[in-house]
This record gives sequence, C-alpha cells and structure tokens, in this order.
Amino acid sequence: SAVISQKPSRDICQRGTSLTIQCQVDSQVTMMFWYRQQPGQSLTLIATANQGSEATYESGFVIDKFPISRPNLTFSTLTVSNMSPEDSSIYLCSVARDGYTFGSGTRLTVV
Amino acid sequence: GIQVEQSPPDLILQEGANSTLRCNFSDSVNNLQWFHQNPWGQLINLFYIPSGTKQNGRLSATTVATERYSLLYISSSQTTDSGVYFCAVEYAGGTSYGKLTFGQGTILTVHP
Repeated sequence: SAVISQKPSRDICQRGTSLTIQCQVDSQVTMMFWYRQQPGQSLTLIATANQGSEATYESGFVIDKFPISRPNLTFSTLTVSNMSPEDSSIYLCSVARDGYTFGSGTRLTVV
Repeated sequence: GIQVEQSPPDLILQEGANSTLRCNFSDSVNNLQWFHQNPWGQLINLFYIPSGTKQNGRLSATTVATERYSLLYISSSQTTDSGVYFCAVEYAGGTSYGKLTFGQGTILTVHP
C-alpha cells in the first residue's frame, strides 16, 4: 500500500489567517482525497483532488474556503482559508490504492 | 447517500475480554475498511474487507455484503486496543470511486 507524508502534524493559528497542509505520496496516484474530522466526530470527505483538473467538492464545502492544489501525481495541498474557531479539526489526506491509506493528520487549533 | 451505522457507540472492557463491533450499511458497496484511530489521531488500517473473512492476530473481520453488514472481532483485548474503531465504505453507485463514508465509530476503552 502507499505511504503518505503529511505536514504539518499540528498547528495553532490566529483567526482570519490561512494554513496550507501538504501531502506527499510515495507513488503516483490518480486521485487524492481530503477529509475533516471535527472534535469528537467522524470523518467527512471535503473534496477529491485530481491531477490536471479542478478539485471536486462535497456538499457543504466550497473552493473559496478550502482551495486545493494538485500539481502532480504524488503531491497535493489543502488550504484552510480565513479561519475561525469552528475550523479547529483534524485534516487528513487519503489515497485509494490496494485499500485506503491515510496521512497522519494535521491537528489544527484556531484561536 | 449511503448510511453507515456502527454499534455499540461505546464499549468498556477488562483486559483479556473479547468483543464484537458491528457495522451496518444501507446500500451496495464496492469496498469496506476497518480503522483504529489511536489517541494521537492517527488512522491505522485494520482490514480491507469488501467481503469474506480475514484474520490478523487477535483481530478478525467478516463482511456479508449481501446482508449489508460487517463485524470486527477483538479477542483477548489489551489496553493498547483502546481508541476509536471506524468502519468506512465506498458506495457502489454514482461517482464514488475512492470516496469513503465513515460510520460514527465505536469508542473502546480497555481497563487493566
């Protein structure tokens, strides 16, 4: 299965600022997925990142708030923009290859 | 969309006890996976099991896709088994390739 390196592992940010999360995969994959886990909750899919095309967002998530880049087949970034305390969550990237593999997550706290 | 329900929501065990966690899903799925989330938030793959039975040490899992459920068995539980167990499915319909829908999880606490 794939190996994913995700960073940062955690951050504390001021409201109104933005944070960019990076995921690097050790092999080429067509699609990468971004999830959010709010405190005490399950994981919810934010968007699918495709190389060479715009990301596809799930209901309730918009590009202005969560812009995604996918410059090549091994790398993707998710930006959490204009943050508020409600954005405090764990953000995880994932790939589907011989099962599903997740990055180690980014624990974001907005103060 | 597809619904995924896990039971029980919480489970408290003494070390050495056995347990069964259940995952019901409302529609046909291409894939199903069980995860363990440790206290640091990391998701650990347990089983990729769209159908059939698999075993890995003290853990085993069975998925009966035609009846839309999966079971995770933990035998001789240890304190390190504590954490949240998630079941996640990939819906078989529409454009769902690679997209997982998660259940709400089972919080397992194992006491020494």
